[in-house]
Amino acid sequence: KAGVTQTPRYLIKTRGQQVTLSCSPISGHRSVSWYQQTPGQGLQFLFEYFSETQRNKGNFPGRFSGRQFSNSRSEMNVSTLELGDSALYLCASSRTDPLNTEAFFGQGTRLTVV
Amino acid sequence: GENVEQHPSTLSVQEGDSAVIKCTYSDSASNYFPWYKQELGKRPQLIIDIRSNVGEKKDQRIAVTLNKTAKHFSLHITETQPEDSAVYFCAASNSGGSNYKLTFGKGTLLTVNP
Repeated sequence: KAGVTQTPRYLIKTRGQQVTLSCSPISGHRSVSWYQQTPGQGLQFLFEYFSETQRNKGNFPGRFSGRQFSNSRSEMNVSTLELGDSALYLCASSRTDPLNTEAFFGQGTRLTVV
Repeated sequence: GENVEQHPSTLSVQEGDSAVIKCTYSDSASNYFPWYKQELGKRPQLIIDIRSNVGEKKDQRIAVTLNKTAKHFSLHITETQPEDSAVYFCAASNSGGSNYKLTFGKGTLLTVNP
């Protein structure tokens, strides 16, 4: 079956702009999480969505937001971009069975803010 | 919240040697501990995981051990091969209930020299 798909793969934006990233989970996976990956900080949790509701949120400013649609696809939005937002943004989908929680990652969206 | 520390940050071994990466976690409620391998330019992929009701798990050349009392877990790779070269991330989560947030360590760059 198809894996987790993220679009676009690469983005270049200017400071102050906003950006929307998309994630299509594996079919049947209802939980979608987003992570920011940078060389110095590793993978940091942004938020997690399940059934169109945000269940968990990491320690990121309110400029970072997300949503999930009824087909489990998710988008994240970053407003008023800053240079420090340059990173690889990864989404991961998983089943919601407590005994089967493997997170499958997408290829990521590489965001560069100039 | 959960905090995961991972050591060492870089590890260089000769082909055929063993490699050990160690992680500690802070939240005693964490009960799921996956390890991810990320090759350069690729997505993180699960290589092995362990739950808190198990002390050790093996899969061919890789094994993970968990010490709940000390709140630490380790990845062991035996008979290392050049294709094991990658960044390895440990993570912890409370997979029960509604929390599917993974807290990651900052990663270990493993280099296997031929």
